[in-house]
Amino acid sequence: QVQLQESGPGLVKPSQTLSLTCTVSGGSITSHNYFWGWIRQPPGKGLEWIGRISTSGSPRYNPSLGSRLTISLDTSNNQFSLELRSVTAADSAMYYCARTIVGVSGWFESWGQGTLVTVSS
Amino acid sequence: QSVLTQPPSASGTPGQRVTISCSGSSSNIGSNAVSWYQQLPGTAPKLLIYSTNERPSGVPDRFSGSKSATSASLDISGLQSEDEADYYCAAWDDSRWVFGGGTKLTVL
Repeated sequence: QVQLQESGPGLVKPSQTLSLTCTVSGGSITSHNYFWGWIRQPPGKGLEWIGRISTSGSPRYNPSLGSRLTISLDTSNNQFSLELRSVTAADSAMYYCARTIVGVSGWFESWGQGTLVTVSS
Repeated sequence: QSVLTQPPSASGTPGQRVTISCSGSSSNIGSNAVSWYQQLPGTAPKLLIYSTNERPSGVPDRFSGSKSATSASLDISGLQSEDEADYYCAAWDDSRWVFGGGTKLTVL
């Protein structure tokens, strides 16, 4: 059973860069048929897809965030990472990493427990 | 404003059947499969239904999904107290994944 665990700072200052890492255990990050992605949830609100990266390292981002976003793969450590630049208070949220089944009819199969990020000075 | 539209709340008594709707468009539900997620209070979402109407192992058969045109539904039969949670639908939409705003299910 694959497990995902998010890690990173819980507090980020406005205009700075939010950096999170997702460590995958119980399975290889290079396994085919999966994408590795990020989803966030502001307090008391719904889910928003941030983006994903394929096992070959090809990213795809939510157009609403794309210019501020980088998702990358670290196969040597079985991890993938998120960088969101120029953050504002609107980026405060619980951030989840998830394993996604490949394809437009895929699904978010496994989720991390989430990590809360607050943007504040 | 979510791309997929869900009722903000639903309720039922133990043993009842409850249906949660998810309305979209031709570019998301109308073209692609739908998945559903259950989020218990203070926890991460959990996959409940995939490929519109398939259940992962371990999900009770009280949960079922369906789709017609640009709308999808999650049915919960034999409602139990542990079903009290937030439920989200999701689908691929052209260039991104989109979610419904979530439905808070209360078991009375």
